[in-house]
Amino acid sequence: AQSVTQLDSQVPVFEEAPVELRCNYSSSVSVYLFWYVQYPNQGLQLLLKYLSGSTLVESINGFEAEFNKSQTSFHLRKPSVHISDTAEYFCAVSGGAAGNKLTFGGGTRVLVKP
Amino acid sequence: GAVVSQHPSRVICKSGTSVKIECRSLDFQATTMFWYRQFPKKSLMLMATSNEGSKATYEQGVEKDKFLINHASLTLSTLTVTSAHPEDSSFYICSARGGKSTNYGYTFGSGTRLTVV
Repeated sequence: AQSVTQLDSQVPVFEEAPVELRCNYSSSVSVYLFWYVQYPNQGLQLLLKYLSGSTLVESINGFEAEFNKSQTSFHLRKPSVHISDTAEYFCAVSGGAAGNKLTFGGGTRVLVKP
Repeated sequence: GAVVSQHPSRVICKSGTSVKIECRSLDFQATTMFWYRQFPKKSLMLMATSNEGSKATYEQGVEKDKFLINHASLTLSTLTVTSAHPEDSSFYICSARGGKSTNYGYTFGSGTRLTVV
């Protein structure tokens, strides 16, 4: 079965500092990878995704993630965070054995401190 | 961009009553819709997958008679929580997957906070 592991359940970080959220997945076949952000009492918003092509994908608000097939990872990074980046972040995969279902990691809560 | 509207955003109901939650894709046709349940400070748990015009496929452990899913059109899916009990209180989120026009992306609704009293 497909699985997604987000190693950090909570990441406190100071404003304007860099942050990295780790995501590892298990799959024996090619998958599609996603990062979503969730603000309190809201649904999920897509940050970025990897379908194919360049292994480095970027979002419009400064986040980037790199697909590493050999390490089965899709870590999310931002060089300088803002208070408004405080939220829950979910890594997800689709494809492979799960077909078109999205399998989510446990989530990482980012708390940006002033 | 692709937009999914989910209503209501918040509902309080009495134990034993039924509650219907709607999920609409506003500007694209959703080939598949998904329903999730999220417990506080937890990840999303997939409840069921539905394709337009066919019966929903439920995940293991999800009671299909309690959580009725109808996907009558390519833009509307509903989740009805029947005979709700306090343990059904949760945050329910729908997701719709479009076709080529949306690059086969997944778009999420804003969620429904259900409280059963």
